[in-house]
Amino acid sequence: EADIYQTPRYLVIGTGKKITLECSQTMGHDKMYWYQQDPGMELHLIHYSYGVNSTEKGDLSSESTVSRIRTEHFPLTLESARPSHTSQYLCATSGTGESEAFFGQGTRLTVV
Amino acid sequence: GENVEQHPSTLSVQEGDSAVIKCTYSDSASNYFPWYKQELGKRPQLIIDIRSNVGEKKDQRIAVTLNKTAKHFSLHITETQPEDSAVYFCAAFFQGAQKLVFGQGTRLTINP
Repeated sequence: EADIYQTPRYLVIGTGKKITLECSQTMGHDKMYWYQQDPGMELHLIHYSYGVNSTEKGDLSSESTVSRIRTEHFPLTLESARPSHTSQYLCATSGTGESEAFFGQGTRLTVV
Repeated sequence: GENVEQHPSTLSVQEGDSAVIKCTYSDSASNYFPWYKQELGKRPQLIIDIRSNVGEKKDQRIAVTLNKTAKHFSLHITETQPEDSAVYFCAAFFQGAQKLVFGQGTRLTINP
């Protein structure tokens, strides 16, 4: 079944560590997004990609970086984690043109 | 700029009553407007969407209306039930950036 897979689901990490949140999709979609969301709160777009080798920063200033080397894979990297990065990170995809977005189950990150 | 405003941020209604959530958008070229429901601890999921060639769409107890002239659209939930309690997000597809932009979310609570 087509889906969006995020790993890990939960992560507790110390300040200053480098981490990569993984997002893979079998939806066959070109567009992929990363959102930061505190529980039940607004979805803040931090990065998006229209396709391979295409990445853009979103509306929320972020100290993270992304890459899109393969259509299916859109990892998010934090070079030096801080307590302010504690949040849930949601990966999403959408198809060509005006179409709905599908979300992964999210990674809940805690930086101590 | 790309902006979707959603109101109210919180809404509490008695079980059986109706709930209405409203959104406005900034791009007059937008033609696609989905609504998402996010239950506690889960990912946002599409519940209904509308395209600009129709003014209203219904699916059982939920309906969405669109006023393109005024650039606003609304979600209506009738005969509310406890399982309707969730955070709801509206979104609009912005043609220039070719991406969905989400509203700030509405936390709906159904009181028994």
